[in-house]
Amino acid sequence: DAGVTQSPTHLIKTRGQQVTLRCSPKSGHDTVSWYQQALGQGPQFIFQYYEEEERQRGNFPDRFSGHQFPNYSSELNVNALLLGDSALYLCASSFADSSPLHFGNGTRLTVT
Amino acid sequence: AQSVAQPEDQVNVAEGNPLTVKCTYSVSGNPYLFWYVQYPNRGLQFLLKYITGDNLVKGSYGFEAEFNKSQTSFHLKKPSALVSDSALYFCAVRDEGGATNKLIFGTGTLLAVQP
Repeated sequence: DAGVTQSPTHLIKTRGQQVTLRCSPKSGHDTVSWYQQALGQGPQFIFQYYEEEERQRGNFPDRFSGHQFPNYSSELNVNALLLGDSALYLCASSFADSSPLHFGNGTRLTVT
Repeated sequence: AQSVAQPEDQVNVAEGNPLTVKCTYSVSGNPYLFWYVQYPNRGLQFLLKYITGDNLVKGSYGFEAEFNKSQTSFHLKKPSALVSDSALYFCAVRDEGGATNKLIFGTGTLLAVQP
């Protein structure tokens, strides 16, 4: 039973570029959440997708957007990258509002 | 707004000794509390949760946590530490305001177990 899978594992981008991160939820899960974990910090909630709609959003600018596909997988897009966007991006899945969340290993994004 | 605080950036303990990683919370209603562990360059692994019921919650890998409403604390404990327990530990609380299972995390505590 595959857990939450994220791709790519590492990514290096230049300021101003755009990036897309991908996530496949754990089998049986239909809800995907994205978190940003800056170095030395706890994860911060970006947004959550359920039934292909954004259900809740954290305190992140519109440069951060997402999408959920009919197979429940999800993408996180970040436009106009800033140096401060460098972080570990974590995807978490669940069945509806159930707990706990199951996390993937993350995508390490470095913006130079 | 609800929050959790982890007052210690790092906890050092000798292998075989008991360990405690501290967490305090602030919520307006009944808290849903969680502990996660993160190994280097990995995601978060769920250890245990408190929703209601017994104040002592047992979780994975021999960890347990004690919920104390009067002290608004949810400390993580283990009777005998292993070197392999060395990792970053996060306390989290479920957001009361939204309609989702959004978690609010603490800043993390690095646990170092010396052989």
